[in-house]
Amino acid sequence: DAGVIQSPRHEVTEMGQEVTLRCKPISGHNSLFWYRQTMMRGLELLIYFNNNVPIDDSGMPEDRFSAKMPNASFSTLKIQPSEPRDSAVYFCASSLQGDQSNTGELFFGEGSRLTVL
Amino acid sequence: KQEVTQIPAALSVPEGENLVLNCSFTDSAIYNLQWFRQDPGKGLTSLLLIQSSQREQTSGRLNASLDKSSGRSTLYIAASQPGDSATYLCALELVFGAGTILRVKS
Repeated sequence: DAGVIQSPRHEVTEMGQEVTLRCKPISGHNSLFWYRQTMMRGLELLIYFNNNVPIDDSGMPEDRFSAKMPNASFSTLKIQPSEPRDSAVYFCASSLQGDQSNTGELFFGEGSRLTVL
Repeated sequence: KQEVTQIPAALSVPEGENLVLNCSFTDSAIYNLQWFRQDPGKGLTSLLLIQSSQREQTSGRLNASLDKSSGRSTLYIAASQPGDSATYLCALELVFGAGTILRVKS
């Protein structure tokens, strides 16, 4: 299996520009998670989907952030407009979720390093 | 709200030493606890998953234990090697600790 695939690996943009990060989960997994990692705050869960449906988006910091999962093999995280404080590494993870709250074993992609100037 | 704490924040040991990393959590109503390794500039690699009904898991030189009653987990690394140098994170379902930065000196 190819694992979780994220693109781009690196993105440098200017404040105010739109940023779109992409994720392909592991085939057969039914849950997908977006995390943000910074030195100050560590790993923070932004949003997660189960069977392509957003379950918990309470970690999305502002309305500038949005995420979609149009099908089981693709998700996007969009920031519009971007700001310097959005600079971070954004990780996508997927899992095969069991019943109820058993989120299953998480598998992470290599991350997308975003720098907003 | 689940809170996860990892101690120590950083650890430096000579090669060959056995070591223990600690993870504590506030809410014991969990399904899974997972230990990860993260190398600089890389993603997280899953090391061990302990389900709530289990007390420990082993993989090679790694052993992870879970004590729900005390809200603690430990990751034991035997005969440490320089290649073990990385940041180790524990996660209770979707909540992560800040990690322990491990350096194994040759």
